[in-house]
Amino acid sequence: DSGVTQTPKHLITATGQRVTLRCSPRSGDLSVYWYQQSLDQGLQFLIQYYNGEERAKGNILERFSAQQFPDLHSELNLSSLELGDSALYFCASSYTAGANVLTFGAGSRLTVL
Amino acid sequence: AQTVTQSQPEMSVQEAETVTLSCTYDTSESDYYLFWYKQPPSRQMILVIRQEAYKQQNATENRFSVNFQKAAKSFSLKISDSQLGDAAMYFCAYAFTYGVAGNMLTFGGGTRLMVKP
Repeated sequence: DSGVTQTPKHLITATGQRVTLRCSPRSGDLSVYWYQQSLDQGLQFLIQYYNGEERAKGNILERFSAQQFPDLHSELNLSSLELGDSALYFCASSYTAGANVLTFGAGSRLTVL
Repeated sequence: AQTVTQSQPEMSVQEAETVTLSCTYDTSESDYYLFWYKQPPSRQMILVIRQEAYKQQNATENRFSVNFQKAAKSFSLKISDSQLGDAAMYFCAYAFTYGVAGNMLTFGGGTRLMVKP
């Protein structure tokens, strides 16, 4: 157990739907990162939050949004889902804003049918 | 933009033997971090080893060691005495540090390592 908790572990939904993925960072960590791992795109950075504020943005689609709450947990919202959004979504956390020590969660497997 | 390239999509090694996974990266920065992550069939991303660019000494973690060639922008992973549990996908990753402004890991495409008994 890495200490980073992601829910749900698996999610199956239909095109056009909206889902929310949740991440609780490791105790004491202030920074949360979201990554998408798909077969054709590999591991792609989506977005980072540090202590409630957005700090860095990667290849995140406009249909996707995220936020970090005062208790430091984070949610990734995916809307108007398409088949191509099927992927493994990882959350990672670190104590500082730097990515020099990143701990990953087990991932949320999203399947869009 | 920084890029990370792993030129070996698949590698295989005999149990107890040594194998080296290759990684090259492109950056104009002088201070950064390099990592090797392991992803077993469970899909969990596990940090194997980390190298700070300003340190000339190669990092070592038990059976895992790196050969960091900063001028050549090369960062290979050597696994000694390979074990069946080493079978996994291995990802090389780069992180540029700019303090509290935040940053991100850039991953290579991965190398699938198979270990033969």
